[in-house]
Amino acid sequence: DAGVIQSPRHEVTEMGQEVTLRCKPISGHNSLFWYRQTMMRGLELLIYFNNNVPIDDSGMPEDRFSAKMPNASFSTLKIQPSEPRDSAVYFCASTSTQGTEAFFGQGTRLTVV
Amino acid sequence: GEDVEQSLFLSVREGDSSVINCTYTDSSSTYLYWYKQEPGAGLQLLTYIFSNMDMKQDQRLTVLLNKKDKHLSLRIADTQTGDSAIYFCADLYNQGGKLIFGQGTELSVKP
Repeated sequence: DAGVIQSPRHEVTEMGQEVTLRCKPISGHNSLFWYRQTMMRGLELLIYFNNNVPIDDSGMPEDRFSAKMPNASFSTLKIQPSEPRDSAVYFCASTSTQGTEAFFGQGTRLTVV
Repeated sequence: GEDVEQSLFLSVREGDSSVINCTYTDSSSTYLYWYKQEPGAGLQLLTYIFSNMDMKQDQRLTVLLNKKDKHLSLRIADTQTGDSAIYFCADLYNQGGKLIFGQGTELSVKP
């Protein structure tokens, strides 16, 4: 397996634009997590899914952020409209039911100017 | 609430042992993890321990778990300059499978 795959690796966009981040979890994993990492706040859990169902989205900063998981092999995190304070590295991670190993993607570095 | 705490910095000399500490709050944790993050890179899973174990050894890495005190540590033997990175402790909460991270400990290894 190629591991957790995120795209794009880097995204630069102008304030007000819509941004969509994508994640493909490891095949067979049924939990998926979206994290945001900044110098100031560290690693923040935004939302996680179990069997494609959002379980806890209490970490989503505001209504501008939304996440979907239409099937077991794909998830998106959308920011609309984007703001400069959304600039961060966004990580996706997946794990199996047993939770023995949680693997991360390489992250998407988002810069909003 | 759910919380994982780590000290922010640790500096050691090459060849010494490093011990990175972590405390957590939830009593229903199932797995606890250690991740390594090098500059500009993603998080690399180093090792993990099941909550009913008190020790796990993997080459130069030793994980100790004190469940009573909710304290986890990672010992790196014979620390090398290549071990310089940020180390994150993470807790997989039993209820809902939520994976929560500490703030990360920046390990600096001096030659």
